[in-house]
Amino acid sequence: SQQGEEDPQALSIQEGENATMNCSYKTSINNLQWYRQNSGRGLVHLILIRSNEREKHSGRLRVTLDTSKKSSSLLITASRAADTASYFCATDAGTALIFGKGTTLSVSS
Amino acid sequence: DAGVIQSPRHEVTEMGQEVTLRCKPISGHDYLFWYRQTMMRGLELLIYFNNNVPIDDSGMPEDRFSAKMPNASFSTLKIQPSEPRDSAVYFCASKGSSSGNTIYFGEGSWLTVV
Repeated sequence: SQQGEEDPQALSIQEGENATMNCSYKTSINNLQWYRQNSGRGLVHLILIRSNEREKHSGRLRVTLDTSKKSSSLLITASRAADTASYFCATDAGTALIFGKGTTLSVSS
Repeated sequence: DAGVIQSPRHEVTEMGQEVTLRCKPISGHDYLFWYRQTMMRGLELLIYFNNNVPIDDSGMPEDRFSAKMPNASFSTLKIQPSEPRDSAVYFCASKGSSSGNTIYFGEGSWLTVV
């Protein structure tokens, strides 16, 4: 069963622009993670934010978490063509991660 | 480290045939997960193991699916008999309880049942 739902489903931007993806979830969590999937490949972990954190940065990535609204956002700044991929949020309420359906990001040069 | 290794990477089989997917987790990891990815349903958790013991198999779609982990370095997901609706990408992933909450995915096994 899906816990997180990403929005939008698809996003097309130009190189240099910022990309924002949102994730909503349903139940209480220990942490929320974002993963990236290049076409035809496995998922790769990007960043983890704990339930007691509100914002976290890693390079060009910025993640926010609002537990009162059960939502998170992933911001990729100054996007590059190489950022073209699908991005998934995953909620951790125990041991196994439950993933949303993802946002497909296309960055054109 | 070689990462999570899955085989086969691609398989095309006829309806009714048995399919066996294999996974070697990262050495030292004590959790192993099987996920299935389709366009319609996204990424679904099928089953996960801790120290080779199945913990939650509630995501296994039906009795045609079975998974085993005979030792810490090997797991199989078997579909018997296979049906066209089983066509999907099957991912194996592993996690070490001492290395945080990040899970590491293999490259997937692309299954097509015709």
